[in-house]
Amino acid sequence: EVQLVQSGAEVKKPGESLKISCKGSGYSFTSYWIGWVRQMPGKGLEWMGIIYPGDSDTRYSPSFQGQVTISADKSISTAYLQWSSLKASDTAMYYCVRRGSYWDFDYWGQGTLVTVSS
Amino acid sequence: QSVLTQPPSVSGAPGQRVTISCTGSSSNIGAGYDVHWYQQLPGTAPKLLIYGNSNRPSGVPDRFSGSKSGTSASLAITGLQAEDEADYYCQSYDSSLSGFWVFGGGTKLTVL
Repeated sequence: EVQLVQSGAEVKKPGESLKISCKGSGYSFTSYWIGWVRQMPGKGLEWMGIIYPGDSDTRYSPSFQGQVTISADKSISTAYLQWSSLKASDTAMYYCVRRGSYWDFDYWGQGTLVTVSS
Repeated sequence: QSVLTQPPSVSGAPGQRVTISCTGSSSNIGAGYDVHWYQQLPGTAPKLLIYGNSNRPSGVPDRFSGSKSGTSASLAITGLQAEDEADYYCQSYDSSLSGFWVFGGGTKLTVL
């Protein structure tokens, strides 16, 4: 069974750094792109970026380029999303997703809630 | 605003048929890229509902169907049930500078 299991909720202060994770199982982790999707409170879905764990090829949405870093450690089947300096506007639910054969997102993680508040 | 345009809300009585539209442009849906639909039940992660314009993943009831024409796509739900009340999002790929994968703004379905 394909599963994407994300790390737990985080509460941080503005200016702090953060790295959240997404562990894949039940499939060949290095053969599928893993993406990240943001959902701000009460809002819709926004695609942030995507990585191919096989060779770490990474693409970012222009809206998130330079704001976050996506990485992966294929030895432990885990993808990451990180911030170097959080802002209050980064408060949101973040989902990791697996890109399917039709360039859809066929599996989703359970989400990681990030709250940034002073 | 979102690259793909959806109505903010639709509603229908149990047993009725509702449709949700998704309008794009020549750089996404109109360029031939597939449209996918996701269902997000309250308080849960989104789930793939329709992929490749009209295909249902295993386990999705055939009450849900998708279609695509020109620069638009539609999701139809027949035999509406109370448990269908959720947010629905369309998604496609965009070849312009607006990014690669793009979503619609989402449609809240209310079952009356």
